[in-house]
Amino acid sequence: KAGVTQTPRYLIKTRGQQVTLSCSPISGHRSVSWYQQTPGQGLQFLFEYFSETQRNKGNFPGRFSGRQFSNSRSEMNVSTLELGDSALYLCASSLGYRSSYNEQFFGPGTRLTVL
Amino acid sequence: DQQVKQNSPSLSVQEGRISILNCDYTNSMFDYFLWYKKYPAEGPTFLISISSIKDKNEDGRFTVFLNKSAKHLSLHIVPSQPGDSAVYFCAARTQGGSEKLVFGKGTKLTVNP
Repeated sequence: KAGVTQTPRYLIKTRGQQVTLSCSPISGHRSVSWYQQTPGQGLQFLFEYFSETQRNKGNFPGRFSGRQFSNSRSEMNVSTLELGDSALYLCASSLGYRSSYNEQFFGPGTRLTVL
Repeated sequence: DQQVKQNSPSLSVQEGRISILNCDYTNSMFDYFLWYKKYPAEGPTFLISISSIKDKNEDGRFTVFLNKSAKHLSLHIVPSQPGDSAVYFCAARTQGGSEKLVFGKGTKLTVNP
């Protein structure tokens, strides 16, 4: 069974631009969570989607948004990029409704650099 | 406010010896704890977990200990192998409430041959 895939793997943007990252979960998984990893803060939860609905959200500004499609694929968008948004963005999929109660499988991440 | 703390950014041990990675937490509402391992250029992978009703869970070379009174958990790897070299993240889940996972900042383990 194929794992979680994320595209693109690397991305360079400039301040003020916007970016869209994509995540394809493991086949059959309906829950997708997004995390931001930075050296100073570790992994921080962004949001979680299940059946196209956002069911949980972390403490990030409204510039960070996401959505999930009917095939469970998910995208996250960051608008008006800031230098501090440079990070590794990780997507994780899980089988059940409550991702934190189910084993999460992570993708390799998208490395975003904001110049 | 860092609810899950991994105070050692790095740890170096010799092959065959024990590796002990520590994690402290502040939120008494955490009911489930997990350890993830991350290699460079890969996503984290689940390693082992423990419920707050237990004080020990073992899986092969990996054992996690939980001390609820001290709000402290530790991951023991015995014996350590060079392939264990990775960044280890401690994570905790809140019972009820938002139910999201809260991660520590990670500890980079290096096992020297």
